[in-house]
Amino acid sequence: KAGVTQTPRYLIKTRGQQVTLSCSPISGHRSVSWYQQTPGQGLQFLFEYFSETQRNKGNFPGRFSGRQFSNSRSEMNVSTLELGDSALYLCASSLQGNLINSPLHFGNGTRLTVT
Amino acid sequence: EDKVVQSPLSLVVHEGDTVTLNCSYEVTNFRSLLWYKQEKKAPTFLFMLTSSGIEKKSGRLSSILDKKELFSILNITATQTGDSAIYLCADGGSNYKLTFGKGTLLTVNP
Repeated sequence: KAGVTQTPRYLIKTRGQQVTLSCSPISGHRSVSWYQQTPGQGLQFLFEYFSETQRNKGNFPGRFSGRQFSNSRSEMNVSTLELGDSALYLCASSLQGNLINSPLHFGNGTRLTVT
Repeated sequence: EDKVVQSPLSLVVHEGDTVTLNCSYEVTNFRSLLWYKQEKKAPTFLFMLTSSGIEKKSGRLSSILDKKELFSILNITATQTGDSAIYLCADGGSNYKLTFGKGTLLTVNP
């Protein structure tokens, strides 16, 4: 069974630009979450989607947005990039998002560098 | 706001040593406590501890949960260089999200 797939693996963007990251969950998983990982803050929750609906959102500005498609694939978008957005963006999937019965399985992430 | 604190932040040991990693949590609605290992990119799941499962073991790794004192430990016995990684602890109690600690960077030297 294929794992969580994220594309692209690396991105270099300039301040002010926007970026779209893509995530394909494990087959059969309907919940997709996104996390930002930086050396200073660690892993921080961005948002979670299930059946194309956002069920929870973390403490990030409105420049960060996401969506989920009917096949459970997800994208996240960051507009008006800032230097502080440089981070590893991790996508994770689980069966239903209920973390009692099904832990999160993470992808390898997209390394975003903003210059 | 839910909070997860890990200690130490980093640790260097020699192969064969036993290590204990700590995780304390302050959460409003405890449901689960999870441990992940992150070597290069993707954190990989190790254990989930809940009220009905406060002790888990897999090979040289084991973890316990103390719900009264609000902490968990991850033990690794007979460490190997392949155990070098960041170990992450996370609270899984809150609305489809994990709240992570900052992690413990473990370095195992030959």
